[in-house]
Amino acid sequence: EIVLTQSPGTLSLSPGERATLSCRASQSVSSDYLVWYQQKPGQAPRLLIYGASNRATGIPDRFSGSGSGTDFTLTINRLEPEDFAMYYCQQYDMSLWTFGQGTKVEIK
Amino acid sequence: QAQLVQSGAEVKKPGASVRISCKASGYTFSSHPIHWVRQAPGQSLEWVGWVNTGNDNRKYSQTLQGRVTITRDRSASTVYMDLSSLRSEDTAVYYCARGGDTRFGEYWFDPWGQGTLVTVSS
Repeated sequence: EIVLTQSPGTLSLSPGERATLSCRASQSVSSDYLVWYQQKPGQAPRLLIYGASNRATGIPDRFSGSGSGTDFTLTINRLEPEDFAMYYCQQYDMSLWTFGQGTKVEIK
Repeated sequence: QAQLVQSGAEVKKPGASVRISCKASGYTFSSHPIHWVRQAPGQSLEWVGWVNTGNDNRKYSQTLQGRVTITRDRSASTVYMDLSSLRSEDTAVYYCARGGDTRFGEYWFDPWGQGTLVTVSS
């Protein structure tokens, strides 16, 4: 089973700053299979990025994804107040899906 | 647009079973699989399993294999998740989510249901 490790665990930033979130896989993952979600307290996760770099419908262009192989990155440019939340990466391998443990982006 | 609505919160005793439902609307039910994902308090997301709503094929996580069963009722556009032999560690919010068609490279979950809290306590 592929394990996803996200870092840092918590990112303390101010509105307007850039957030860089990392997702590292224990073995190579196809870019097609790498997905990012945002989750706010008390809410279900929301799809942000699929195929490592494609924004989902309605997602602002300040969100971008990149990476390949074992290293993937979610970047949030110019943080808005509504962006402070948990972020999870997800991968697919052999009909099984796994998630990273998440990165919390909090207001500094 | 596509929407998933789940049944309400449940409180169960250890050893009991629970059934959660997930009703789909706003799209062709049999054209997308439904996944179940759970989230224990303060923890990350854990994939539970999925059902192909078209051909009824299913696959479960190894962690829950043998205790979880996912079924679908096409006439009601509803998917059910049954979890048996409940333990305190099963206390979590359980989400259903619409999957993409992996034949076409769609590996994401969207949208998600609102979540159902299952509490296992004596």
